[in-house]
Amino acid sequence: EAGVAQSPRYKIIEKRQSVAFWCNPISGHATLYWYQQILGQGPKLLIQFQNNGVVDDSQLPKDRFSAERLKGVDSTLKIQPAKLEDSAVYLCASSLTRDRGRENYFGPGTRLTVT
Amino acid sequence: LAKTTQPISMDSYEGQEVNITCSHNNIATNDYITWYQQFPSQGPRFIIQGYKTKVTNEVASLFIPADRKSSTLSLPRVSLSDTAVYYCLVGHGGDTGRRALTFGSGTRLQVQP
Repeated sequence: EAGVAQSPRYKIIEKRQSVAFWCNPISGHATLYWYQQILGQGPKLLIQFQNNGVVDDSQLPKDRFSAERLKGVDSTLKIQPAKLEDSAVYLCASSLTRDRGRENYFGPGTRLTVT
Repeated sequence: LAKTTQPISMDSYEGQEVNITCSHNNIATNDYITWYQQFPSQGPRFIIQGYKTKVTNEVASLFIPADRKSSTLSLPRVSLSDTAVYYCLVGHGGDTGRRALTFGSGTRLQVQP
């Protein structure tokens, strides 16, 4: 079974530039999450989708971050404009159920460096 | 929001049993306790989940006392490949799904030869 796919794996941009990350969840997984993981910290949930609807985006900095999941499969996370503090690994995860306590399958992440 | 507290780091040797304890004093009635493992440059990987008493799978055991205010992840006979960060988190099911699933800073386990 293919895992969660993410691209790119690495991205370096200058502050105030824009960047987008792509995620393809495991086939059949209705729930998709984006997490931000800053070096030395645990992942922090940014947004959760159930199919193509947003379940929770309370921790998403909406002034600069946006995410969409058209057709309830792939998802993109965008940052515009980027700040230095956005340097982190962005992890996409998916699960069969809406319960975030249950097993989440994580992708390898995209490491973003903002200079 | 149920906050978790774990040791920052632990050291062990190959072949030993490792027990990592997590405190979650504000755990809610319908919260589950879940443990994840993360290697460098990889996303976290689910290890085990439980609600009460003891749960065991092929990788680990999870011990949860009756008051559920803490839990202990037990890794039997660790090897070098068990060197990773281990996260304890609490979350719940149900239709709302709106309580955030929060990862703490985790416990960095270093296994020595």
